[in-house]
Amino acid sequence: QLQLQESGPGLVKPSDTLSLTCSVSGGSISSSSYYWGWIRQPPGKGLEWIGSISYSGSTYYTPSLKSRVTISVDTSKNQFSLKLSSVTAADTAVYYCARLLRSGNTGYAFDIWGQGTMVTVSS
Amino acid sequence: SYELTQPPSVSVSPGQTASITCSGDKLGDKYACWYQQKPGQSPVLVIYEDNRRPSGIPERLSGSNSGNTATLTISGTQAMDEADYYCQAWDSSTVVFGGGTKLTVL
Repeated sequence: QLQLQESGPGLVKPSDTLSLTCSVSGGSISSSSYYWGWIRQPPGKGLEWIGSISYSGSTYYTPSLKSRVTISVDTSKNQFSLKLSSVTAADTAVYYCARLLRSGNTGYAFDIWGQGTMVTVSS
Repeated sequence: SYELTQPPSVSVSPGQTASITCSGDKLGDKYACWYQQKPGQSPVLVIYEDNRRPSGIPERLSGSNSGNTATLTISGTQAMDEADYYCQAWDSSTVVFGGGTKLTVL
């Protein structure tokens, strides 16, 4: 059964770059039926999509974070990564990685999620 | 940018039917999906492509989508259904989430 696991520092200093990796096990990241994505959730708030990537490297970002976000994929390691630059306290959140199931032109749904990792931005 | 609007909270008595709405411009022209999130847990996909249930999701959860509104319906609501529910759609190559609805089973 496919599993996703986030990894990375739990504490990041303001103005630094947040870096997280999502390791995929139990299946291949190289499938045209899926994209892979990052979603975050500030404490007590709702879900916010950060961006998604295909196994071939096509990327899609939320407009509000686009200038600070880079998502990349490493098919040899079966993992994908998130970098968010110039972080502030507003970036403190639980960060989830997830598989994005694709169906037709608008059928996109995150069908498998990682357990999430809390990242705090503080000096 | 595209927006999805959900009521912040919905209350239902055990055994009754709960309906959670999600509104967006011409949402019926797109596929909508729904997630259930319980405290301290990752979201779980419960409805995709408007009305399809992933394996393991009970039949009492159903979905519909028409016009500007998608609806998640929970029939015979149980205490275990108390959770936050989020709708989501894909628009202009971006994922859009609704703000979430807290379902309380009184």
